[in-house]
Amino acid sequence: NAGVTQTPKFQVLKTGQSMTLQCAQDMNHNSMYWYRQDPGMGLRLIYYSASEGTTDKGEVPNGYNVSRLNKREFSLRLESAAPSQTSVYFCASSVGGGSYTEAFFGQGTRLTVV
Amino acid sequence: DAKTTQPNSMESNEEEPVHLPCNHSTISGTDYIHWYRQLPSQGPEYVIHGLTSNVNNRMASLAIAEDRKSSTLILHRATLRDAAVYYCILRVPKAAGNKLTFGGGTRVLVKP
Repeated sequence: NAGVTQTPKFQVLKTGQSMTLQCAQDMNHNSMYWYRQDPGMGLRLIYYSASEGTTDKGEVPNGYNVSRLNKREFSLRLESAAPSQTSVYFCASSVGGGSYTEAFFGQGTRLTVV
Repeated sequence: DAKTTQPNSMESNEEEPVHLPCNHSTISGTDYIHWYRQLPSQGPEYVIHGLTSNVNNRMASLAIAEDRKSSTLILHRATLRDAAVYYCILRVPKAAGNKLTFGGGTRVLVKP
């Protein structure tokens, strides 16, 4: 049972390059999330998808776009990477439908923009 | 989202209990109290959650104050593997997508 799988695990980009971070879950969860974590800080929500076909902005959406490709997959795109986007990115999923449910996190993608 | 307040760090000796406090004075009646922890270089993992009553599971216990304005996560016998950042989070039912909003957390250091 893989849970939440993120690819790639590491990536170095040059300023202005674009890339897509992939996330897939195999737990049939409705809700999926993208967070970023800067060094020594807590996680900040970038975008989330409450259910297939819907996406909404979180706390720090600027510079990012997302696609909920299907129920399993939720991708995060950086159209023109900037050094300020150097961070560790985490994808998460939960059943949804109630605040009593737990969320499951992937292992993260460590992104460096030079 | 309702906010939580936690100490920045705590130290404990191995095999001793650890009590991690969390204040959430603006909690609403239907907000669930969730705890997650993040081990070094890993994603957060669920620890425990509760609404009003104290809760126990294999990882920890959660003690919730009667007025629900504070809670305490209890690790009964800390091990070196329990060294992590522990996040206390209020999960708000009306928030679309039931998003988790993280604060700064408490960094727990376990000394052998």
